Amino acid sequence: EDQVTQSPEALRLQEGESSSLNCSYTVSGLRGLFWYRQDPGKGPEFLFTLYSAGEEKEKERLKATLTKKESFLHITAPKPEDSATYLCAVQAGSSGNTPLVFGKGTRLSVIA
Amino acid sequence: EAGVTQSPTHLIKTRGQQATLRCSPISGHTSVYWYQQALGLGLQFLLWYDEGEERNRGNFPPRFSGRQFPNYSSELNVNALELEDSALYLCASRRWGGGNEAFFGQGTRLTVV
Repeated sequence: EDQVTQSPEALRLQEGESSSLNCSYTVSGLRGLFWYRQDPGKGPEFLFTLYSAGEEKEKERLKATLTKKESFLHITAPKPEDSATYLCAVQAGSSGNTPLVFGKGTRLSVIA
Repeated sequence: EAGVTQSPTHLIKTRGQQATLRCSPISGHTSVYWYQQALGLGLQFLLWYDEGEERNRGNFPPRFSGRQFPNYSSELNVNALELEDSALYLCASRRWGGGNEAFFGQGTRLTVV
């Protein structure tokens, strides 16, 4: 069974204090790993897609990396507006006929 | 370009009633996914439709059902509502093919009283 585990569950940072969120996965053939940001009561907002080990993507203060077993979302010099829940999801399988499997997310709070 | 739109935004129903939730995908997207996000839990996969057909189904009872229309919009029906069905229901759309990202709507908050 495909599984996604995110850690930590919650993270509290001071503004400017860089850190990383972890997403560990076990899948039968990774077709893509996705990062989303979700604000309270809203739908997830797409951030990145990673396809193969060694790949990296960047957007403003966020950088996502991928290995064969996990992905990291690095947050550099975060600001209070980066506070949100960050979700990791994978699509697995040999065909495109599988849904995204999500982790439970990391709730990030950035304090000014 | 319009994103994924869901209606209604909020829905309050009584236990035992039926609820109908609607989703319009991004233009050009043929796949529609439904997820349930209960308070404090992660996104649980409900249903996946593509080209009008149900492609995959999550571990939910048959009273959760849906359909996809020729214009690729979709409807989720929940029969015989139970208190534990209270959750944020999220719809996402995606182009067919593995690895492509899914884009989510803002969700429908269903409250069962």
